Formats: sequence, structure tokens, C-alpha cells
Amino acid sequence: EVQLVESGGGLIQPGGSLRLSCAASGFTFHTFDMHWVRQAPGKGLEWVSGIDSTGATYYPDSVKGRFSVSRDYAKKSLSLQMSNLRAGDTAVYYCVRENSRYFDLWGRGTLVTVSS
Amino acid sequence: SYVLTQPPSVSVAPGKTARITCVENNIGDKSVHWYQWKPGQAPLMVIYYDTDRPSGIPERFSGSNSGNTATLIISRVEAGDEADYYCQVWDSGSGHHVFGTGTKVTVL
Repeated sequence: EVQLVESGGGLIQPGGSLRLSCAASGFTFHTFDMHWVRQAPGKGLEWVSGIDSTGATYYPDSVKGRFSVSRDYAKKSLSLQMSNLRAGDTAVYYCVRENSRYFDLWGRGTLVTVSS
Repeated sequence: SYVLTQPPSVSVAPGKTARITCVENNIGDKSVHWYQWKPGQAPLMVIYYDTDRPSGIPERFSGSNSGNTATLIISRVEAGDEADYYCQVWDSGSGHHVFGTGTKVTVL
């Protein structure tokens, strides 16, 4: 089955770190660019990181320097290392597959809550 | 970076046509993709590359993109079309992806 399954979310204190993981299955993982997209409570979608098939990474200014995306081709997994977390990072984080500049496969998401 | 502006909400009667705009300077020079998001479900792409419709998406969904405005058009609206809709583009200059602010479609 073609799917993405996220894990690693939870409650974390401000200033803390958290690592999200995404397991990919059912497709040739190494040929696709992969991304993380989040949705804060009551807010819209926000793209937060991307990594292409060569390993080049991209971040918006809102998370640059705090978030780091990586991929393990052998394990077909995507990771997001988040540090110096803020209340504004509270959101559901989705692992997403890119297909020619649009997103054609989404996971079900994992909730990250940053609160003391 | 830039912001893709969408109306917060659009209300439409069943059987009528809903038009959802996505506004940004010269968005017509970019390719726009549209997603439907219902609570508890993964987002569903309904239009890609301005006007293309994925398999399984009804012909009632169409798109256009010109000048400063991209538009998602839902014809003969049904109750099942009630959802949040987002536009999305890729900025070749930065390599970044940008989502619109989102529009909640309510079927009256």
C-alpha cells in the first residue's frame, strides 16, 4: 500500500527539541522530493521543510536554523529534527510526497504541542 | 516570500457555482495547485497545474489562472463539497512552496 505514516509527536516544553519520523511504503522513495507541512490549531497550511532526491534541503524563514530535515534511503524514512521549539510551533505535522511541484500523497499527521 | 490571499469563506447554495480566488502579483506566471481538506481526512488534490484534474475528481471542479488571480471553480455544488480549500505554488527562485490562506466553503 502506498502510504506515509508519521510518528514522534507529543508534548514538549518551550525551548525543547523533538524529532519526527515518517515511514514511507509502496513507492520508490528515493526518486521523490519529500516535505513536512504543518497546520496550527485554527490556522491554515504551512510548508516547513523539504528535501529533494539528492538530499538538498529547503526551509522557510519561520523555521530556518531551528528545524532540520533528513532522509534515510535504506529505511525509506523521512525525519524532522526540531529544536528551540516555541508555542507557535504547536501544530499537526504532515509528511508529504511531492510530485512535480504539487503534493500528491499525505500522511495522517502527528500532533506536536509546545507548552509548559 | 509572498502571501497567496484567499477569501476566508465562500457560501453557496446546492446546484450553484462556487468560485474561490487565490491572489498574488503575477500568479499567472506560476503553476497553481488546489487541495480540498475535510476534517479528519488527508488533503485531496482537486486541481493541479492550474487546470488539470486528477483521476477521480469530478468534472465539476475546474481551474483558471491569469494575471494576479487563480480561481478554483466548483460547478453544481453538492453538500459533499463543503470543506476547506487551499491553493499552492512553488517559487522557483527560492525553492520554497507556499500555501494560500485557505477558504472555507459552506454549502447552504
